[in-house]
Amino acid sequence: AQTVTQSQPEMSVQEAETVTLSCTYDTSESDYYLFWYKQPPSRQMILVIRQEAYKQQNATENRFSVNFQKAAKSFSLKISDSQLGDAAMYFCAYYEGSGDKLTFGTGTRLAVRP
Amino acid sequence: DAGVIQSPRHEVTEMGQEVTLRCKPISGHDYLFWYRQTMMRGLELLIYFNNNVPIDDSGMPEDRFSAKMPNASFSTLKIQPSEPRDSAVYFCAGGTGISEAFFGQGTRLTVV
Repeated sequence: AQTVTQSQPEMSVQEAETVTLSCTYDTSESDYYLFWYKQPPSRQMILVIRQEAYKQQNATENRFSVNFQKAAKSFSLKISDSQLGDAAMYFCAYYEGSGDKLTFGTGTRLAVRP
Repeated sequence: DAGVIQSPRHEVTEMGQEVTLRCKPISGHDYLFWYRQTMMRGLELLIYFNNNVPIDDSGMPEDRFSAKMPNASFSTLKIQPSEPRDSAVYFCAGGTGISEAFFGQGTRLTVV
């Protein structure tokens, strides 16, 4: 079974600085998708960024980028120029793409210091 | 601990039938969330409970959807009557509110 591990329960970053959230996963598949979701206090899950495993290029969305290391099964999220609004829980998720469900990590709580 | 347990893992039902999804959270977690995952809308929060009390059900799409948490160890999400557009994966998640959240493996619902 696939597993997703987020080893950092909490992280803190100074406003305007850069922070990296870690995620590792375990799978025997070669084709899959990886996601980072943001969960603000409203509890909604907001898709931040996605990565297709067959793509070698790391995905980027404005201030958010990933470091995808397929061989190491690592998928970290980098937030540049952190803003107060970035404070939230962040979940890493895995999706096999064959109709299976998302598998989530346990989340990392990010605090942004003004 | 076995983690958050959802049942059934898969459910196929006919339009108009009642569907009940079940969730057993991890002991000690006082928050429980129900999410729905679809290709069109991604992940949507349907409702969440704190200490068995519904806090925010604004995400519940229609009156056909209802959720209960009769005790700290059990929650249900009911759809009556079900419609094909309800087909989705439904996730239950639990946590202590400010720390990690633990997701169940989801229930894949197909309404035909």
